[in-house]
Amino acid sequence: QVQLQESGPGLVMPSQTLSLTCTVSGDSFSSSSYYWSWIRQPAGKALEWIGRLYNTGTTNYNPSLKSRVTISIDTSMSQFSLRLSSVTAADTAVYYCAREACTGGVCYRSSYYFDYWGQGTLVTVSS
Amino acid sequence: QSVLTQPPSASGTPGQRVTISCSGTSSNIGSNYVFWYQHLPGTAPTLLIYRNNQRPSGVPDRFSGSKSGTSASLAISGLRSEDEADYYCAAWDDSLSGHVFGGGTKLTVL
Repeated sequence: QVQLQESGPGLVMPSQTLSLTCTVSGDSFSSSSYYWSWIRQPAGKALEWIGRLYNTGTTNYNPSLKSRVTISIDTSMSQFSLRLSSVTAADTAVYYCAREACTGGVCYRSSYYFDYWGQGTLVTVSS
Repeated sequence: QSVLTQPPSASGTPGQRVTISCSGTSSNIGSNYVFWYQHLPGTAPTLLIYRNNQRPSGVPDRFSGSKSGTSASLAISGLRSEDEADYYCAAWDDSLSGHVFGGGTKLTVL
């Protein structure tokens, strides 16, 4: 059974860098079949995809956040991390990590979906 | 403003059939698969539909998805109280090179 768990500070000062880690349990982390993603949801608003990483280190980022986002991987620890720089109150949200998988045919980059999610962690940006 | 457009709310009575629409463009829904997620407050979202109309194991056949052109729909038949949740459509956007979500539809079971 795959499980993902987010960890990191729940409060970040404006202009500072938000850092979160997702720890993955189960035997899928080293597999080349999956992407690993970060998604967030501000209170009362929609889900927003932040970016994803393949276990080779290849990344895709949301263009609206690309200049401030870094997603990295530590395969030895079965973890992947999010860094979001220069945060403002608009970055206050519940942050989820998720696994992306693809089944049922040829796997294009557009074929992947989020099949396992962490429970989410609330990050508040405030002084 | 979300890239994919959903109605903010939908409602139905137990046993009814409801549909939730999702509208996009040629760079997302028009050329890629659509996925649907159910989100209960305080929990992680769960996958309901993948590749437009496929159900993961464990998802009841009361849930069905369809796609036509640049629009997609999620249908829920035999509505139950436990279906009360937020529903999100999602797709890959070729222009943005990333996943995009709809704004979400809050389903109320009356």
